[in-house]
Amino acid sequence: GESVGLHLPTLSVQEGDNSIINCAYSNSASDYFIWYKQESGKGPQFIIDIRSNMDKRQGQRVTVLLNKTVKHLSLQIAATQPGDSAVYFCAEIPFTGTASKLTFGTGTRLQVTL
Amino acid sequence: DAGVIQSPRHEVTEMGQEVTLRCKPISGHNSLFWYRQTMMRGLELLIYFNNNVPIDDSGMPEDRFSAKMPNASFSTLKIQPSEPRDSAVYFCASTLGVRSSPLHFGNGTRLTVT
Repeated sequence: GESVGLHLPTLSVQEGDNSIINCAYSNSASDYFIWYKQESGKGPQFIIDIRSNMDKRQGQRVTVLLNKTVKHLSLQIAATQPGDSAVYFCAEIPFTGTASKLTFGTGTRLQVTL
Repeated sequence: DAGVIQSPRHEVTEMGQEVTLRCKPISGHNSLFWYRQTMMRGLELLIYFNNNVPIDDSGMPEDRFSAKMPNASFSTLKIQPSEPRDSAVYFCASTLGVRSSPLHFGNGTRLTVT
């Protein structure tokens, strides 16, 4: 798909290992954060979200960590599988915003090697 | 749930021609968004609707672009006349409209203007 640019940061992980994808945000007023996964030829797909009153949230094989002090967000994928290969975007919404104020990061490409 | 449905999946047209992209949001969602994704600029919000009414079209690049939502289950994005720089992947997304509801994206229309 045409989802990503040629200069995206890339994380290469061996199948079965854990992956950690990082995201820095700049708006201290952001209080709702979302991780999206975009596979080739598809639209971004919601993975997990977290509000600013939490610092950790777990889903199935995924964990999102939020550090408001340094404005940092991370997505951890346990036991990475080939199907996890995609571009991952973090997105943020400010406290006073709605979905229209959703701001996407530039994305990180995850490559899973066998 | 069939998800957000976009058509066509691919569109190739010559400069100067009119292009119409179509979107069917998820049933029950009252907010609809049109995004454009390119290598250089990533995901950009073009316009969004709430309850079929355009709320913010400040992201629409120029007057050649127009969008309509005649009813809750259908929206179009039209480019007339099209130019090569309009080549991109256009995504439609919908949400329940509340802040904590993430956007659900379609699989996009890849537009190529020659």
